[in-house]
Amino acid sequence: TQLLEQSPQFLSIQEGENLTVYCNSSSVFSSLQWYRQEPGEGPVLLVTVVTGGEVKKLKRLTFQFGDARKDSSLHITAAQPGDTGLYLCAGVGGGADGLTFGKGTHLIIQP
Amino acid sequence: DTEVTQTPKHLVMGMTNKKSLKCEQHMGHRAMYWYKQKAKKPPELMFVYSYEKLSINESVPSRFSPECPNSSLLNLHLHALQPEDSALYLCASSLAGTSGAPNEQFFGPGTRLTVL
Repeated sequence: TQLLEQSPQFLSIQEGENLTVYCNSSSVFSSLQWYRQEPGEGPVLLVTVVTGGEVKKLKRLTFQFGDARKDSSLHITAAQPGDTGLYLCAGVGGGADGLTFGKGTHLIIQP
Repeated sequence: DTEVTQTPKHLVMGMTNKKSLKCEQHMGHRAMYWYKQKAKKPPELMFVYSYEKLSINESVPSRFSPECPNSSLLNLHLHALQPEDSALYLCASSLAGTSGAPNEQFFGPGTRLTVL
């Protein structure tokens, strides 16, 4: 069974601060995805990382995939209240496998 | 069209009722998924359909019965549910299995189910 450890589980910071969320596993994933979820809504895909060492940027969000494809991080620069939400990392093997989710990071950005 | 739709948005049912959740996508995806999500927890995989065939059943109780009538539709039939089955039920789809594409899954908005 592939497991993903995500940390921190809860984070409350002030607007303008930077933060990093980590997602670690002992297993290799063919790809890893980051989602953001609002209460009562479905997860929205932010990014997919596929290649070991890959770095992708989405405005103030920077995503990194570890060289061995076992871990990933999400860094948010100058956090805004609109960044508040549940951030989920999810890994997948090949083919049409289901996603293995981390426990999620509940992020609150205070004005 | 780049979205997954789910109906109904909310559903309240008694333990003796029979109801169905519906999911639709028109992105040409050939893999579709049902997940269950309890409050403050991540989604948990229930079923995977690949090319309209059930490929994964994560030991889900038989009171949940999935159906894939065609490549765009996915249903979840519910019968004799328990109050602990109350949750957000999420449908997702992906291109997985086609042309070596990464398994990017796109989720619908979910159905909030309450079992009384």
